[in-house]
Amino acid sequence: DVKVTQSSRYLVKRTGEKVFLECVQDMDHENMFWYRQDPGLGLRLIYFSYDVKMKEKGDIPEGYSVSREKKERFSLILESASTNQTSMYLCASSSHPRGETQYFGPGTRLLVL
Amino acid sequence: SQKIEQNSEALNIQEGKTATLTCNYTNYSPAYLQWYRQDPGRGPVFLLLIRENEKEKRKERLKVTFDTTLKQSLFHITASQPADSATYLCALDIRGPGGGADGLTFGKGTHLIIQP
Repeated sequence: DVKVTQSSRYLVKRTGEKVFLECVQDMDHENMFWYRQDPGLGLRLIYFSYDVKMKEKGDIPEGYSVSREKKERFSLILESASTNQTSMYLCASSSHPRGETQYFGPGTRLLVL
Repeated sequence: SQKIEQNSEALNIQEGKTATLTCNYTNYSPAYLQWYRQDPGRGPVFLLLIRENEKEKRKERLKVTFDTTLKQSLFHITASQPADSATYLCALDIRGPGGGADGLTFGKGTHLIIQP
């Protein structure tokens, strides 16, 4: 069965801290995505990756970076967390070279104080 | 710019009736459209995908239509049940500069409430 896991369900961090959100998929998918979801704004794409060590900016990459050292793992990094990065973060993966069905993790609810 | 519109207001439907949700888009010609279900505090779950050359797709009590002329998709749940209550998202493929899709862009979702 398809499985995408995220390292934490809930996370509380202080402004200025460096934050790592980890995502692991066990489906041997080439593509992985990071979104954030906020009330009234929907899902917004932060970064995505089509291969190991490869990354592409999404719609809102500012303040974030990513790392994909292994095919199954895609990390989202908040270099210096700010209160406006308080959000639900969702990781997804897909097998098609481009788009098609995405499988989502359970999400990480991040609160930055 | 590309725009996807879903009814932002909650949709209240009586149990047993058919629920119909709408997804409209502008400035775009997607190769396919998808519908996802999202429960509170959870990630979206894929339901159905319909391609531009398909008019209709069914899966159990779910039916999706895709009208590329109207730039609209309708999502139907027949014989609705309280367990169908959730937020439903439509998503379109994003075309990259090379013509291939670069992931999905999502609508904001419609909150469906099925009342017993």
